[in-house]
Amino acid sequence: EIVLTQSPGTLSLSPGERATLSCRASQSVSSSYLAWYQQKPGQAPRLLIYGASSRATGIPDRFSGSGSGTDFTLTISRLEPEDFAVYYCQQYGSSWTFGQGTKVEIE
Amino acid sequence: QVQLVQSGAEVKKPGASVKVSCKASGYTFTNHYIHWVRQAPGEGLEWMGIINPSGGSTSYAQKLQGRVTMTRDTSTSTVYMELSSLRSEDTAVYYCARDPGYSYGRSFDPWGQGTLVTVSS
Repeated sequence: EIVLTQSPGTLSLSPGERATLSCRASQSVSSSYLAWYQQKPGQAPRLLIYGASSRATGIPDRFSGSGSGTDFTLTISRLEPEDFAVYYCQQYGSSWTFGQGTKVEIE
Repeated sequence: QVQLVQSGAEVKKPGASVKVSCKASGYTFTNHYIHWVRQAPGEGLEWMGIINPSGGSTSYAQKLQGRVTMTRDTSTSTVYMELSSLRSEDTAVYYCARDPGYSYGRSFDPWGQGTLVTVSS
C-alpha cells in the first residue's frame, strides 16, 4: 500500500498570502492518479485537482497542483477567507489511499 | 446535476450491523463506479472499498475484509454499504463518492453528504 505523508500538519497564514502544501508518497505515483481535496467543517470533501495538475470544474485558478514521482504540491496563490480548511491528497495505484491532511488556518 | 444522497444517521450497539444507502441521480448509474470512504471524529479519510454498479463486482480494503459488503440496486440507482460486527472504532461519518473514471485520474467526485454512524452501548 502506498502511504502518503502530508506536510506541514498545520499552516498558519493570513488572507492574501501564498500557501504551499506538500504530499510525499512512499513509492512512485503516476501523476495521472494524484488528486487534492478541500474539506470544510461539517462538509464532505470537494475535488480540487486531479491528474496532479488539472483543476476540477468550477475551481478557481488560484489553486494549482504540481509534482511527479513521489513529491507533489498544492499551491494556493492568494488565500481567500473561504480557503481556510483542511486539504487532503489522494492516490490511485493498486488501491486508493489518502494523506493525513493539512489544516490551513488563519494566523 | 450529478448528485449522491445518503441515508440518515444511525446509532448502533457493539456487535450489530449497519446498512447505509447512497442514491445517485443526474447521470447514467451503471457508467461509474462508487466508492465508500469513512472519517472518524477529528481524523482523516479512510478508503473502504468500491463497487461497479454495472455488474456488481466489488473490491474492499484489506482492513475491512469479511465485515463490509457493498451491493447495488440498478432499478433505484442506489448503492448500499453494510458493515457488520460493529465496534466503537467504527464510529465515523461514512461517505459515498462517484469515481469519474480514468480521464479524471480515478478521483472522487462528487461526494454524498455523509452519514454519521455512532456505535455505543
